[in-house]
Amino acid sequence: QTVVTQEPSLTVSPGGTVTLTCASSTGAVTSAYYPNWFQQKPGQAPRSLIYSTSNKQSWTPARFSGSLLGGEAALTLSGVQPEDEAEYYCLLYYAGAWVFGGGTKLTVL
Amino acid sequence: QITLKESGPTVVRPTQTLTLTCTFSGFSLTTTGVGVAWIRQPPGKALEWLALIYWDDDKRFSPSLKSRLTITKDTSRNFVVLTMTNMDPVDTATYYCAHLRSSGYDYWGQGTLVTVSS
Repeated sequence: QTVVTQEPSLTVSPGGTVTLTCASSTGAVTSAYYPNWFQQKPGQAPRSLIYSTSNKQSWTPARFSGSLLGGEAALTLSGVQPEDEAEYYCLLYYAGAWVFGGGTKLTVL
Repeated sequence: QITLKESGPTVVRPTQTLTLTCTFSGFSLTTTGVGVAWIRQPPGKALEWLALIYWDDDKRFSPSLKSRLTITKDTSRNFVVLTMTNMDPVDTATYYCAHLRSSGYDYWGQGTLVTVSS
């Protein structure tokens, strides 16, 4: 069974920069996994931030960026704002099916 | 403006079959490349991808749940139906549907909470 792994939790100071990662149990993540990133706040549906590795939705703030880093998908937040405190999920494509990571709880402190 | 809304029972009994409907507007499920997926989230836990149906009626399922899932679409009335058989209390979750385009799940419904309990 394929497992997608994210950091369980990260803490960042306001104005700082943080990178969340997304690793696959099958090996290096490439663009063929079409990494998606979502933000979810308590009581809300997930909101799409990034698709196909680095493409932003029209509503995605400029401080969010997606990339591939060292065989993993990555989401970088530059100039973190208090409202960025949330759970972040990655989603990877595996030959037809998709698998979510376990999520990263980002605390802005 | 794309919108999706999930509907279905709030409570199902163990061993029963769950039927959920995703009613959408603002796009057509006959447009090349478009799909509608189902995702769930148990209380306090992570998201889990369940199933996807494409504009051409291609269907994809989570390998771990494939034997229990069915997904269909009605393109004239703009809805997608997910059925899950043999429900168990561990299937208690908020179920979401989402629009897929260009390998991105851009628009999501608000979700519907389904509790499995006798």
